[in-house]
Amino acid sequence: QKEVEQNSGPLSVPEGAIASLNCTYSDRGSQSFFWYRQYSGKSPELIMFIYSNGDKEDGRFTAQLNKASQYVSLLIRDSQPSDSATYLCAVTKSSSASKIIFGSGTRLSIRP
Amino acid sequence: GAGVSQSPSNKVTEKGKDVELRCDPISGHTALYWYRQSLGQGLEFLIYFQGNSAPDKSGLPSDRFSAERTGGSVSTLTIQRTQQEDSAVYLCASSLRGASAGELFFGEGSRLTVL
Repeated sequence: QKEVEQNSGPLSVPEGAIASLNCTYSDRGSQSFFWYRQYSGKSPELIMFIYSNGDKEDGRFTAQLNKASQYVSLLIRDSQPSDSATYLCAVTKSSSASKIIFGSGTRLSIRP
Repeated sequence: GAGVSQSPSNKVTEKGKDVELRCDPISGHTALYWYRQSLGQGLEFLIYFQGNSAPDKSGLPSDRFSAERTGGSVSTLTIQRTQQEDSAVYLCASSLRGASAGELFFGEGSRLTVL
């Protein structure tokens, strides 16, 4: 079992719709959760982080965390073609709060 | 520049040769990470440095891999006797205090091709 699991996609969403990206993790003691966006041929960049159960909103992005289910999600409202990228879920290890483990990413494609 | 700088950006080597990859983190960042990304895959944790503490080497895939960080700043990742499966993009990232407290800032990566 991978430590951080994501559906590889591609996930195709029409422009203006909501894109929903999901992630599960195996370390029940993980405390910090991140979503990074990676454009093709580029390095990852942070778009959201969440530490507490519930929702966290930032502009068109909402991160959702359910520690009991070991589940993190990212919603992108009003999807734009510029949102087309690979989205990487990352979590910290309970054994080392600064060791961050990434999933393999979900490729998102926004069709005009 | 103010970002994380990595060199070389591209390296082609023959199987069995040693390679060195360099990372210059953002000034003032105490945490430095090395990750490896194979084609179409996620990021594989390799090693983590935090200030003067002993590094977390738990992700290094074999004893052919080593890394050091001199003076709490520049880091070098060394791969000895390279194998074809070492071909990947090696990404360095730095953070002000560590991943749990803040963002990782990534360099553009060093693409390694082992023939």
